[in-house]
Amino acid sequence: TQLLEQSPQFLSIQEGENLTVYCNSSSVFSSLQWYRQEPGEGPVLLVTVVTGGEVKKLKRLTFQFGDARKDSSLHITAAQPGDTGLYLCAGSDTGRRALTFGSGTRLQVQP
Amino acid sequence: KAGVTQTPRYLIKTRGQQVTLSCSPISGHRSVSWYQQTPGQGLQFLFEYFSETQRNKGNFPGRFSGRQFSNSRSEMNVSTLELGDSALYLCASRRTSGANTGELFFGEGSRLTVL
Repeated sequence: TQLLEQSPQFLSIQEGENLTVYCNSSSVFSSLQWYRQEPGEGPVLLVTVVTGGEVKKLKRLTFQFGDARKDSSLHITAAQPGDTGLYLCAGSDTGRRALTFGSGTRLQVQP
Repeated sequence: KAGVTQTPRYLIKTRGQQVTLSCSPISGHRSVSWYQQTPGQGLQFLFEYFSETQRNKGNFPGRFSGRQFSNSRSEMNVSTLELGDSALYLCASRRTSGANTGELFFGEGSRLTVL
């Protein structure tokens, strides 16, 4: 069974601070996705990374896929209250199985 | 275009009862996946249907079942409900099946409470 561990589980910060969320596994993934879920809604895709070492930027969010494709990180610069939510990483392997989701990082940004 | 629609949004059942949840995917999407989300276990994969056939199945007991209709709409059923089945059940659709075939579009979920 492939497992994705996310850290930290919870994060409460002030507006304007920077933060990094980690997604780690002992397994290799062919691609990795990051989703954000807001209360009362389903997860929404933020980004997909597919190449080891790849870095993608989405405004103030920077996503990195580890060189060995076993881990990923999400860095948020100057966090805003609108960034509040549950951040989920999800990995897919080279087979045709379902996405494996991490346990999630719950972020709260205080104004 | 309309998103993924799940019904009902909220429901309360008692132990031993059964429940059926419905999911209408985005038009043109033929794959529908179901996930169970709980605070302790996170998002757990239940099963995926594509063209009316179950393509993948997670590690859930046989009390959890599903089906897909010719119009790609899907239902999942849980029989003999247990307290631990209380969760948010999420449906997600995408155009094709398989792990490396793009973005999952999620519905808002059906929140089931078992008393």
